[in-house]
Amino acid sequence: DAKTTQPNSMESNEEEPVHLPCNHSTISGTDYIHWYRQLPSQGPEYVIHGLTSNVNNRMASLAIAEDRKSSTLILHRATLRDAAVYYCILMGSSNYKLTFGKGTLLTVNP
Amino acid sequence: GAVVSQHPSWVICKSGTSVKIECRSLDFQATTMFWYRQFPKQSLMLMATSNEGSKATYEQGVEKDKFLINHASLTLSTLTVTSAHPEDSSFYICSARDLGREAGELFFGEGSRLTVL
Repeated sequence: DAKTTQPNSMESNEEEPVHLPCNHSTISGTDYIHWYRQLPSQGPEYVIHGLTSNVNNRMASLAIAEDRKSSTLILHRATLRDAAVYYCILMGSSNYKLTFGKGTLLTVNP
Repeated sequence: GAVVSQHPSWVICKSGTSVKIECRSLDFQATTMFWYRQFPKQSLMLMATSNEGSKATYEQGVEKDKFLINHASLTLSTLTVTSAHPEDSSFYICSARDLGREAGELFFGEGSRLTVL
């Protein structure tokens, strides 16, 4: 499975934008880039995913580098409820198995 | 959005007993479900892939006779921890994909916390 690299932790202030980076230099042409987040003592929650083009949804935006070797999850206005571990994961087009790395622990300061 | 529900959300049992955890897709059908285990302050570790109507596929190092998986219908998969021991205490999480959606996102259950005394 292609691996991803994320910072262990990041900190943000409430109502400010947050950019969470992810490197995936060994991504294959058919791998989708998925982002999930996990709040304490809960199952992960889907955030967003993309293949080549940037994506927007009600939760976040996903900016994908032109060479697809990195991506950035953008939370436009962080709230206290966004404090969680964010996982960047690659998923093959025919295999829906997700392999979780350590993720980024996002702390949001009031 | 699609909902995946697990039951029980927490369970405490004595060493040597067996515990069954259910994972249900409430508003969609799932031919494939995934079971994960998560120890404190660690990431999720995939245990097995549950396939409806056929045998589960286990990840390397996961004992199939200890963690029995049954996926008897398109909306239900069960994980049974047999002869549980304290080292099996963990947070167990299932996930499923909605076949009716074009996008490939997975939906996760709330998790089941197992404590073995």
